[in-house]
Amino acid sequence: NAGVTQTPKFRVLKTGQSMTLLCAQDMNHEYMYWYRQDPGMGLRLIHYSVGEGTTAKGEVPDGYNVSRLKKQNFLLGLESAAPSQTSVYFCASSPLTGGRNIQYFGAGTRLSVL
Amino acid sequence: GQQLNQSPQSMFIQEGEDVSMNCTSSSIFNTWLWYKQDPGEGPVLLIALYKAGELTSNGRLTAQFGITRKDSFLNISASIPSDVGIYFCAGMGNNNAGNMLTFGGGTRLMVKP
Repeated sequence: NAGVTQTPKFRVLKTGQSMTLLCAQDMNHEYMYWYRQDPGMGLRLIHYSVGEGTTAKGEVPDGYNVSRLKKQNFLLGLESAAPSQTSVYFCASSPLTGGRNIQYFGAGTRLSVL
Repeated sequence: GQQLNQSPQSMFIQEGEDVSMNCTSSSIFNTWLWYKQDPGEGPVLLIALYKAGELTSNGRLTAQFGITRKDSFLNISASIPSDVGIYFCAGMGNNNAGNMLTFGGGTRLMVKP
């Protein structure tokens, strides 16, 4: 079972370049999330989606945009990359079931902005 | 926003020793989760806790949901080299549309064979 798949796994950008990170899940989950992980700061929520066609801001949304055109895919875009966006990015998904919902994570995308 | 304080930040122990780590919050949570992250991978769920006072085990791992609903701890007994990684606590509050989690800063565990 694939679960949550992120592409690419690694990327190096120059300041000002743009890119899109792709997250795909095959578990038919309603909810999807994008996090960034920085040393000593745990995981911080960038944007999330509670269903196809919907998105919402998380804790650290500035400099990022997202789209959820299909239920299984959640895209994270950087329009003009900055060195402060050097980080490891994780996508997660969660089912819409009452009371005992768990987030399942992808393997991450390591992004360096020079 | 909500904050989770996780401690210790790192531990370097001898194989066979027991390990204890905890998380505290300024807010009440109705779910506590413990994840492990291996190097180069995403977090994987270890234990989920849903009731105050709940004590749950998963092999050598035991976690408890604090009575006040503001804390949780994770114990690992008889550590082995493959326990190496970063352990994260995460909490989910009430009325949480979207199942959003608040994460602690992580405990980095190193095990000396």
